[in-house]
Amino acid sequence: DAKTTQPTSMDCAEGRAANLPCNHSTISGNEYVYWYRQIHSQGPQYIIHGLKNNETNEMASLIITEDRKSSTLILPHATLRDTAVYYCIVRPNNNAGNMLTFGGGTRLMVKP
Amino acid sequence: DAGVIQSPRHEVTEMGQEVTLRCKPISGHNSLFWYRQTMMRGLELLIYFNNNVPIDDSGMPEDRFSAKMPNASFSTLKIQPSEPRDSAVYFCASSLGHGRNTIYFGEGSWLTVV
Repeated sequence: DAKTTQPTSMDCAEGRAANLPCNHSTISGNEYVYWYRQIHSQGPQYIIHGLKNNETNEMASLIITEDRKSSTLILPHATLRDTAVYYCIVRPNNNAGNMLTFGGGTRLMVKP
Repeated sequence: DAGVIQSPRHEVTEMGQEVTLRCKPISGHNSLFWYRQTMMRGLELLIYFNNNVPIDDSGMPEDRFSAKMPNASFSTLKIQPSEPRDSAVYFCASSLGHGRNTIYFGEGSWLTVV
């Protein structure tokens, strides 16, 4: 029962912006969009989350469409160390939302 | 600040042996999660504790798996007896409180059952 759809893989040139899309057309009003990434042989790492407004932090920017049915994670200047699997997760804003349900993610390969 | 600490990082064991994986959550966190990751099934939630009490164990595969949290700073995931299909990376994670607080993951325990 996937709540998000992401491309299986993407490539990006080093130094360029990486734009990772996510579809979450069945998202409901109390659900947030979270992004995590997993670098090879490491545990998942939190990147950013948002409800309806665009968000930015030191790692990335999150653009959520007005209808909230899709979002894009932007890594403004991708480096080789950004090569990882990126997971887009829809998470309720209540006690049930304390768990994260991971899908297949997008495997981002940053190339020199 | 120390993150979520898991041990052992790697374990190779023979089928039928008991395996115990250990986790120390981030100090002050009161929610703890055990996940399993395999190539075939990806990241799956096994069990979730809040204030040392199991809240959701619907992801625990079968009776061979058990998890405990005797206090706020320690949890174990035990497999007895282990089988080759249990080979996976087991992640422990923790967060503060309920709701949508950030969940932080450990580096994982890589289990191989031969």
